[in-house]
Order: sequence, then C-alpha cells, then structure tokens
Amino acid sequence: NAGVTQTPKFQVLKTGQSMTLQCAQDMNHNSMYWYRQDPGMGLRLIYYSASEGTTDKGEVPNGYNVSRLNKREFSLRLESAAPSQTSVYFCASSDGGGGQLPSPLHFGNGTRLTVT
Amino acid sequence: QKEVEQNSGPLSVPEGAIASLNCTYSDRGSQSFFWYRQYSGKSPELIMFIYSNGDKEDGRFTAQLNKASQYVSLLIRDSQPSDSATYLCAVGSYFSGGYNKLIFGAGTRLAVHP
Repeated sequence: NAGVTQTPKFQVLKTGQSMTLQCAQDMNHNSMYWYRQDPGMGLRLIYYSASEGTTDKGEVPNGYNVSRLNKREFSLRLESAAPSQTSVYFCASSDGGGGQLPSPLHFGNGTRLTVT
Repeated sequence: QKEVEQNSGPLSVPEGAIASLNCTYSDRGSQSFFWYRQYSGKSPELIMFIYSNGDKEDGRFTAQLNKASQYVSLLIRDSQPSDSATYLCAVGSYFSGGYNKLIFGAGTRLAVHP
C-alpha cells in the first residue's frame, strides 16, 4: 500500500518553462489537494478537488492549473514557471466525506522545485 | 492576525522532559484539530487529531483542546531525541461536498537534547 505517490521528487526549471507534477493515491480517497510549503509560511493550499470531476482554487492558485484525471490521480501544472514558484510541493488526500467532521490529510513525499 | 499561530521556536527540552507545543486559531467555527510532525526534508506525518474539548491521549502524546479560548496544545512526555522535528498544527472545517478545509500553522521546531 503506497499511500500518496508524487513524481518527480526534484526538478529544476528555467523561468518560463512548463512542467506537470503528478500525484496518485491508492486509498480510495475522494478528496485530493496540492499545497506548497515555504520557509516560515507553513503549508498553503494551491488547489483542491473535493471529489472526482471537481476542482477549486485554494489560497494561492495564481500561476497553476490542475486536473483531476480520475479518482486516483490529481496533477498540478505550471504553465510558465517563475522564481517565486520555487518551493516544496505536497500532494495530499483525504476521505473527505461520510461525516460532518474534517478527516486528516495524508501527504505524499513532496517535490522540491527550483526555478532559476 | 494569522488564522493559525504557532511559536516558531526552537523549543529546546532535555531528554526525558515534557515538551509543550501550543497553537491558537482565529476561526471559532473550526471543528477539528490536527497535529503533524515533519522531519527535515520529509513530508508531514499525522500524530493526533482531536474534535472535542478536553484531553486526548495516545501513548506519549496528549492533545488538549479549549474551544472557548481557541487554543490547542500537544504535550510530549518522556521526550526523546527522535522527537526532534517541526510540529505543525492544523485547524479544520468541513464543507458540504466533501471538502476539508485545513489551515496550517507555520510550525514549531522542537529540539530534544541528550
């Protein structure tokens, strides 16, 4: 049982290049999330998908797009990378339903992205 | 005012002591509270969650919640050097359609010295 798997683990881009971060979960979770983590700022939500077929903006969506390909997979795309997007990106999932209380997030191992 | 506030630390405690980590939050409608541990260069790992006022114990860890004061804490008893990490507090609300809105604090760095 792999949990949440992210690829790649590391990436270096030049300003203006594009790339897609991949994320897959095998826990049959409904909800998936993309966060970025910067020193001193904690985890900030970029986009989320509450269920298959839906996506919504989080706190810092500018410069990003997402695709919920199916229940398992949720990708994050940077169309034209900027140095301000240098960060560690985490994908997470949760079962997200069945009750009225938020359930925990389960995180992937992260992608360290540097934009020069 | 940040939505979830934590002292950045470092909080330095001797091995065997009790480490006390604190978190305050601004949204009175928050419903659930999570503590994650994050080792340097690794992803956050869930330690505990608490939904109701009071204490919840799990091994060496105790989470304490006071909704009236909008305060949640994590106590680590018999601290070990392996507990040295950054501890993230997250505060959650549930929205219809299955969206869990979790807001994270910036984390408190804990250093347990032998």
